[in-house]
Amino acid sequence: DTAVSQTPKYLVTQMGNDKSIKCEQNLGHDTMYWYKQDSKKFLKIMFSYNNKELIINETVPNRFSPKSPDKAHLNLHINSLELGDSAVYFCASSQDRAGSYEQYFGPGTRLTVT
Amino acid sequence: DAKTTQPPSMDCAEGRAANLPCNHSTISGNEYVYWYRQIHSQGPQYIIHGLKNNETNEMASLIITEDRKSSTLILPHATLRDTAVYYCIVKSGTASKLTFGTGTRLQVTL
Repeated sequence: DTAVSQTPKYLVTQMGNDKSIKCEQNLGHDTMYWYKQDSKKFLKIMFSYNNKELIINETVPNRFSPKSPDKAHLNLHINSLELGDSAVYFCASSQDRAGSYEQYFGPGTRLTVT
Repeated sequence: DAKTTQPPSMDCAEGRAANLPCNHSTISGNEYVYWYRQIHSQGPQYIIHGLKNNETNEMASLIITEDRKSSTLILPHATLRDTAVYYCIVKSGTASKLTFGTGTRLQVTL
Protein backbone atom coordinates (compact mmCIF):
# COMPACT_ATOMS: atom_id res chain seq x y z
CA ASP A 1 0.00 0.00 0.00
CA THR A 2 1.18 3.52 -0.67
CA ALA A 3 1.60 5.27 2.65
CA VAL A 4 3.75 6.92 5.23
CA SER A 5 5.09 4.32 7.62
CA GLN A 6 6.93 4.68 10.91
CA THR A 7 8.86 2.25 13.07
CA PRO A 8 8.56 1.44 15.83
CA LYS A 9 4.95 2.07 16.77
CA TYR A 10 5.76 2.02 20.47
CA LEU A 11 9.05 2.80 22.14
CA VAL A 12 9.65 2.58 25.87
CA THR A 13 13.08 3.56 27.12
CA GLN A 14 14.89 4.99 30.08
CA MET A 15 16.15 8.50 30.64
CA GLY A 16 19.57 9.15 29.21
CA ASN A 17 19.28 6.61 26.40
CA ASP A 18 19.62 7.40 22.70
CA LYS A 19 16.92 6.21 20.33
CA SER A 20 15.84 6.54 16.71
CA ILE A 21 12.50 6.57 14.97
CA LYS A 22 12.34 5.74 11.29
CA CYS A 23 9.97 7.09 8.66
CA GLU A 24 9.49 6.06 5.07
CA GLN A 25 7.08 7.27 2.41
CA ASN A 26 6.44 5.59 -0.90
CA LEU A 27 4.26 8.34 -2.31
CA GLY A 28 7.07 9.88 -4.34
CA HIS A 29 6.85 13.07 -2.29
CA ASP A 30 9.69 15.56 -2.07
CA THR A 31 9.03 16.97 1.40
CA MET A 32 8.89 15.19 4.75
CA TYR A 33 8.13 16.41 8.27
CA TRP A 34 8.31 15.46 11.91
CA TYR A 35 5.60 16.61 14.31
CA LYS A 36 5.33 16.07 18.06
CA GLN A 37 2.04 15.62 19.93
CA ASP A 38 2.40 16.03 23.66
CA SER A 39 0.24 14.70 26.47
CA LYS A 40 -2.14 17.65 26.12
CA LYS A 41 -2.63 16.70 22.47
CA PHE A 42 -0.97 19.81 21.04
CA LEU A 43 0.53 18.94 17.68
CA LYS A 44 3.62 20.94 16.69
CA ILE A 45 6.01 20.89 13.76
CA MET A 46 9.60 20.02 14.60
CA PHE A 47 11.47 19.64 11.32
CA SER A 48 10.93 19.51 7.58
CA TYR A 49 13.16 18.30 4.78
CA ASN A 50 12.77 18.93 1.07
CA ASN A 51 14.83 16.67 -1.17
CA LYS A 52 17.18 15.92 1.74
CA GLU A 53 17.61 19.61 2.56
CA LEU A 54 16.49 20.93 5.95
CA ILE A 55 13.89 23.66 5.39
CA ILE A 56 12.14 23.94 8.75
CA ASN A 57 13.85 23.66 12.11
CA GLU A 58 11.61 24.85 14.92
CA THR A 59 12.82 25.54 18.42
CA VAL A 60 13.75 21.99 19.24
CA PRO A 61 16.57 20.93 21.60
CA ASN A 62 19.68 19.93 19.68
CA ARG A 63 19.38 16.47 21.24
CA PHE A 64 16.94 15.90 18.38
CA SER A 65 18.63 15.36 15.04
CA PRO A 66 16.73 14.51 11.88
CA LYS A 67 18.52 12.61 9.14
CA SER A 68 17.33 12.19 5.58
CA PRO A 69 19.38 9.58 3.68
CA ASP A 70 17.16 10.05 0.64
CA LYS A 71 13.93 11.82 -0.13
CA ALA A 72 11.82 8.80 0.81
CA HIS A 73 13.20 8.56 4.34
CA LEU A 74 13.37 10.93 7.28
CA ASN A 75 14.63 9.48 10.53
CA LEU A 76 14.61 11.15 13.93
CA HIS A 77 17.44 10.48 16.35
CA ILE A 78 17.10 11.58 19.96
CA ASN A 79 20.07 11.71 22.31
CA SER A 80 20.01 11.69 26.10
CA LEU A 81 16.28 11.16 26.36
CA GLU A 82 14.39 13.11 29.02
CA LEU A 83 11.01 12.53 30.66
CA GLY A 84 9.60 15.51 28.74
CA ASP A 85 10.34 13.81 25.44
CA SER A 86 7.49 11.40 26.08
CA ALA A 87 4.98 12.09 23.33
CA VAL A 88 3.61 10.75 20.08
CA TYR A 89 5.81 11.59 17.11
CA PHE A 90 4.25 11.80 13.67
CA CYS A 91 6.03 11.76 10.37
CA ALA A 92 4.34 13.33 7.34
CA SER A 93 5.06 13.97 3.70
CA SER A 94 3.78 16.25 0.95
CA GLN A 95 4.25 16.46 -2.77
CA ASP A 96 6.60 19.40 -2.49
CA ARG A 97 7.37 22.30 -0.21
CA ALA A 98 4.69 24.53 -1.69
CA GLY A 99 2.07 25.28 0.85
CA SER A 100 -0.86 24.35 -1.35
CA TYR A 101 -0.30 20.61 -1.12
CA GLU A 102 -1.83 18.46 1.56
CA GLN A 103 0.27 16.48 4.00
CA TYR A 104 -0.04 12.76 4.57
CA PHE A 105 0.69 11.56 8.07
CA GLY A 106 2.06 8.31 9.38
CA PRO A 107 0.44 6.33 12.21
CA GLY A 108 2.69 7.81 14.89
CA THR A 109 5.31 6.48 17.29
CA ARG A 110 4.41 6.62 20.96
CA LEU A 111 7.60 7.30 22.91
CA THR A 112 7.56 6.75 26.66
CA VAL A 113 10.61 7.76 28.66
CA THR A 114 10.79 6.35 32.19
CA ASP B 1 -0.05 32.37 9.64
CA ALA B 2 -3.46 33.58 10.75
CA LYS B 3 -4.92 32.19 13.94
CA THR B 4 -8.18 30.28 13.93
CA THR B 5 -10.96 29.92 16.48
CA GLN B 6 -13.09 26.78 16.72
CA PRO B 7 -15.61 25.57 19.29
CA PRO B 8 -14.00 23.00 21.56
CA SER B 9 -16.68 20.37 21.04
CA MET B 10 -19.82 19.52 19.08
CA ASP B 11 -22.27 16.66 18.91
CA CYS B 12 -24.03 15.33 15.85
CA ALA B 13 -26.55 12.54 15.34
CA GLU B 14 -25.53 9.81 12.96
CA GLY B 15 -26.91 10.40 9.47
CA ARG B 16 -27.29 14.12 9.98
CA ALA B 17 -25.04 16.81 8.55
CA ALA B 18 -22.23 18.00 10.78
CA ASN B 19 -21.40 21.67 10.34
CA LEU B 20 -18.11 22.67 11.92
CA PRO B 21 -17.41 26.42 12.06
CA CYS B 22 -14.06 28.18 12.04
CA ASN B 23 -13.25 31.85 12.45
CA HIS B 24 -10.10 33.25 10.84
CA SER B 25 -10.71 36.99 10.85
CA THR B 26 -7.03 37.90 10.27
CA ILE B 27 -6.59 35.74 7.19
CA SER B 28 -4.46 37.24 4.42
CA GLY B 29 -5.14 37.19 0.72
CA ASN B 30 -2.68 34.40 -0.06
CA GLU B 31 -3.66 32.13 2.82
CA TYR B 32 -5.58 28.92 2.29
CA VAL B 33 -8.04 27.33 4.69
CA TYR B 34 -7.25 23.67 5.40
CA TRP B 35 -9.18 21.09 7.34
CA TYR B 36 -7.62 18.01 8.88
CA ARG B 37 -9.01 15.55 11.36
CA GLN B 38 -7.47 13.19 13.87
CA ILE B 39 -9.31 10.06 14.80
CA HIS B 40 -8.28 8.73 18.19
CA SER B 41 -4.67 7.46 18.27
CA GLN B 42 -4.18 7.91 14.52
CA GLY B 43 -2.21 10.40 12.47
CA PRO B 44 -4.01 13.51 11.22
CA GLN B 45 -5.88 13.05 7.97
CA TYR B 46 -6.32 15.70 5.29
CA ILE B 47 -9.95 16.49 4.48
CA ILE B 48 -10.17 19.49 2.19
CA HIS B 49 -8.78 22.94 1.52
CA GLY B 50 -9.78 26.12 -0.28
CA LEU B 51 -8.75 29.69 -1.03
CA LYS B 52 -11.92 31.63 -1.75
CA ASN B 53 -14.38 29.41 -3.56
CA ASN B 54 -16.45 26.73 -1.96
CA GLU B 55 -14.99 23.26 -2.41
CA THR B 56 -16.40 19.75 -2.32
CA ASN B 57 -14.80 16.34 -2.42
CA GLU B 58 -15.80 12.82 -1.49
CA MET B 59 -15.33 13.49 2.20
CA ALA B 60 -16.77 16.93 2.81
CA SER B 61 -17.70 20.40 1.62
CA LEU B 62 -15.96 23.61 2.57
CA ILE B 63 -17.91 26.85 2.59
CA ILE B 64 -15.84 30.04 2.85
CA THR B 65 -17.60 33.34 3.45
CA GLU B 66 -17.18 36.07 0.89
CA ASP B 67 -14.97 38.15 3.19
CA ARG B 68 -12.99 34.95 3.96
CA LYS B 69 -13.10 35.63 7.69
CA SER B 70 -14.84 32.39 8.48
CA SER B 71 -15.56 28.99 7.02
CA THR B 72 -17.65 25.90 7.67
CA LEU B 73 -16.72 22.30 7.10
CA ILE B 74 -19.76 20.18 6.26
CA LEU B 75 -19.85 16.42 6.62
CA PRO B 76 -23.13 15.73 4.80
CA HIS B 77 -24.08 12.43 6.47
CA ALA B 78 -22.03 11.94 9.61
CA THR B 79 -21.27 8.39 10.74
CA LEU B 80 -19.80 7.07 13.97
CA ARG B 81 -16.45 6.79 12.18
CA ASP B 82 -16.41 10.57 11.76
CA THR B 83 -15.94 11.00 15.51
CA ALA B 84 -12.62 12.83 15.71
CA VAL B 85 -10.90 16.13 16.45
CA TYR B 86 -11.25 18.46 13.49
CA TYR B 87 -8.61 21.11 12.90
CA CYS B 88 -9.10 24.26 10.85
CA ILE B 89 -5.72 25.61 9.74
CA VAL B 90 -4.90 28.75 7.81
CA LYS B 91 -1.67 28.62 5.87
CA SER B 92 -0.02 30.68 3.19
CA GLY B 93 0.60 29.23 -0.22
CA THR B 94 4.34 29.18 0.33
CA ALA B 95 4.60 27.99 3.92
CA SER B 96 5.21 24.28 4.38
CA LYS B 97 4.36 23.77 8.01
CA LEU B 98 0.91 23.19 9.45
CA THR B 99 0.16 25.03 12.68
CA PHE B 100 -2.44 23.06 14.58
CA GLY B 101 -4.72 24.68 17.15
CA THR B 102 -6.89 22.86 19.65
CA GLY B 103 -9.56 21.90 17.11
CA THR B 104 -13.18 20.82 17.59
CA ARG B 105 -13.91 17.44 19.07
CA LEU B 106 -16.88 16.09 17.09
CA GLN B 107 -18.83 13.31 18.72
CA VAL B 108 -21.23 11.47 16.43
CA THR B 109 -23.91 9.57 18.32
CA LEU B 110 -26.59 7.03 17.45
